[in-house]
Amino acid sequence: SQQGEEDPQALSIQEGENATMNCSYKTSINNLQWYRQNSGRGLVHLILIRSNEREKHSGRLRVTLDTSKKSSSLLITASRAADTASYFCATESTSGTYKYIFGTGTRLKVLA
Amino acid sequence: DGGITQSPKYLFRKEGQNVTLSCEQNLNHDAMYWYRQDPGQGLRLIYYSQIVNDFQKGDIAEGYSVSREKKESFPLTVTSAQKNPTAFYLCASSRTGTAAYSNQPQHFGDGTRLSIL
Repeated sequence: SQQGEEDPQALSIQEGENATMNCSYKTSINNLQWYRQNSGRGLVHLILIRSNEREKHSGRLRVTLDTSKKSSSLLITASRAADTASYFCATESTSGTYKYIFGTGTRLKVLA
Repeated sequence: DGGITQSPKYLFRKEGQNVTLSCEQNLNHDAMYWYRQDPGQGLRLIYYSQIVNDFQKGDIAEGYSVSREKKESFPLTVTSAQKNPTAFYLCASSRTGTAAYSNQPQHFGDGTRLSIL
């Protein structure tokens, strides 16, 4: 099964609202990353958080990491229609060797 | 502009045929990856390479093969042994970090959609 499981699977909000999506994983990790994928396109890297970090910000994005609960959350503030996309978490485990494991994604729809 | 180019965008495979998907990057990255994405699913790792002339199997390597003869190029061949090849294939690259960990973001191409005729 997938290492990362995002929750919810789908989310629909109004423009201007905040969107929160969660990622849970199973094994010890070295870092966790969040990516965005627009329909039919490749993934775009949003933010990387290392296992010794608890929170990171980038523009309207806020990511938290709780290694004791093996979970992370991505908050998008003041959402825009252009934020409509699928969002994936990816973990690099402590077993190393450059392998990343992706979750199944959250489909976000922002209504104008 | 630096980036990753995948070609073709759409590809059709006949029964018993091998097909090759191209992936080229001009980011000067050492590490390259191939993923498969099925509808509504996350990405699953097929193969990855940390350095030229070396590559490792990912979680679903059966029915696929790769080569890494040049730093810029990491082609993926979908062989006739892959019985369910219909999927969206994504290539990515990243800088290298330490020997064990990347700790680097991955840069993705725009994918190749493979279907069976």
